[in-house]
Amino acid sequence: GAVVSQHPSRVICKSGTSVKIECRSLDFQATTMFWYRQFPKQSLMLMATSNEGSKATYEQGVEKDKFLINHASLTLSTLTVTSAHPEDSSFYICSAWYRATEAFFGQGTRLTVV
Amino acid sequence: GDSVTQMEGPVTLSEEAFLTINCTYTATGYPSLFWYVQYPGEGLQLLLKATKADDKGSNKGFEATYRKETTSFHLEKGSVQVSDSAVYFCALRLNGGTASKLTFGTGTRLQVTL
Repeated sequence: GAVVSQHPSRVICKSGTSVKIECRSLDFQATTMFWYRQFPKQSLMLMATSNEGSKATYEQGVEKDKFLINHASLTLSTLTVTSAHPEDSSFYICSAWYRATEAFFGQGTRLTVV
Repeated sequence: GDSVTQMEGPVTLSEEAFLTINCTYTATGYPSLFWYVQYPGEGLQLLLKATKADDKGSNKGFEATYRKETTSFHLEKGSVQVSDSAVYFCALRLNGGTASKLTFGTGTRLQVTL
């Protein structure tokens, strides 16, 4: 069945550095992918919609320059957290619709900025 | 705007108890409704869905009926198991297509004890 794979599952980085998170659709093409952020014991907050071959659409309040999204192919979207700071520590999840009927989610990436 | 309201958790039950997690929604159109489950440290998995009024979604002993008159999609299970311990999210999707967004409720944590 359709799967969305996210990598890495965990990452620890130093404050001021950048971190890239990959989201791949396996066995299907995804022209659109979604990036969410989840705080502890809270719901998912949609950060941005990633569009293959065009600019991402960011939700209100999300810093475009902080969270860079690149959707370079039909199976890969990347989220780069630039100049990360401890407040960027969170659980990031990507998703994509399979045949427009079921949304599949990546396993999530736990980012810790120290 | 569109929104989903879930009952506050955590919900703590003994094994084999009956489970109900309430979910109500507000939407400008006719949404599809979903229940997702998230196990610790993981992404979300689709549990069940319903695409129109009076539809019943079911999976793994869980059921939810799309009630247009009460704008509800309550999740039920007749006999919970320890392995059902997770966070459950109710969500709606207003439009079809691979670029459509999911709107999530805040999530309800379920803890099942022996």
